[in-house]
Amino acid sequence: DIQMTQSPSSLSASVGDRVTITCRASQDIRNDLGWYQQKPGKAPKRLIYAASTLQSGVPSRFSGSGSGTEFTLTISSLQPEDFATYYCLQHNSYPWTFGQGTKVEIK
Amino acid sequence: EVQLVESGGGLVKPGGSLSLSCAASGFTFSTYGMNWVRQAPGKGLEWVSYISSSSPYIYYADSVKGRFTISRDNAKNSLYLQMNSLRAEDTAVYYCARIGPTMDDFWGQGTLVTVSS
Repeated sequence: DIQMTQSPSSLSASVGDRVTITCRASQDIRNDLGWYQQKPGKAPKRLIYAASTLQSGVPSRFSGSGSGTEFTLTISSLQPEDFATYYCLQHNSYPWTFGQGTKVEIK
Repeated sequence: EVQLVESGGGLVKPGGSLSLSCAASGFTFSTYGMNWVRQAPGKGLEWVSYISSSSPYIYYADSVKGRFTISRDNAKNSLYLQMNSLRAEDTAVYYCARIGPTMDDFWGQGTLVTVSS
């Protein structure tokens, strides 16, 4: 099974900060990775697919990069509505696996 | 508009069984693979199972293999998850999700399953 190691598990940041979250895969997953945002009590919402393509309707301050085993989600200028938990998901091979999540909190 | 509506959650004793359903609308259900994803209280997301559009391909997480069965009825636009031999660690919100490699990404609102004596 492919393990997804996500870091950090949590971070504190201020509005306007640049935030970076990383996922590392235990083996090559090409670009078969998505990034999700989840707010309390809500279903996850995908921000990025194919590692670097912005989902329709998602603000351009979100971006993704990487391929193979190293992936990054970047929020260029954190906004109040971005405080949430973020997950990566690999869909290269079954069983699909999520990263452990990164909780982005207000500093 | 794509809609996925889960039902069937509730309280069940350890060792018991429960069947979840997901009613799909707003798209041609029979042409899409579907997933179940769960989230234990205060924990992260865990992918549970996948079934292909016409059911020949089925996959499970190791944590549920042999206890859970995914199925679908394309005539009824419905996805199911039969859960047997339930354990406390199966307590979670269960989401029905259509997750594609490109634009497709739709989730239901989730249904809570609580396994407790």
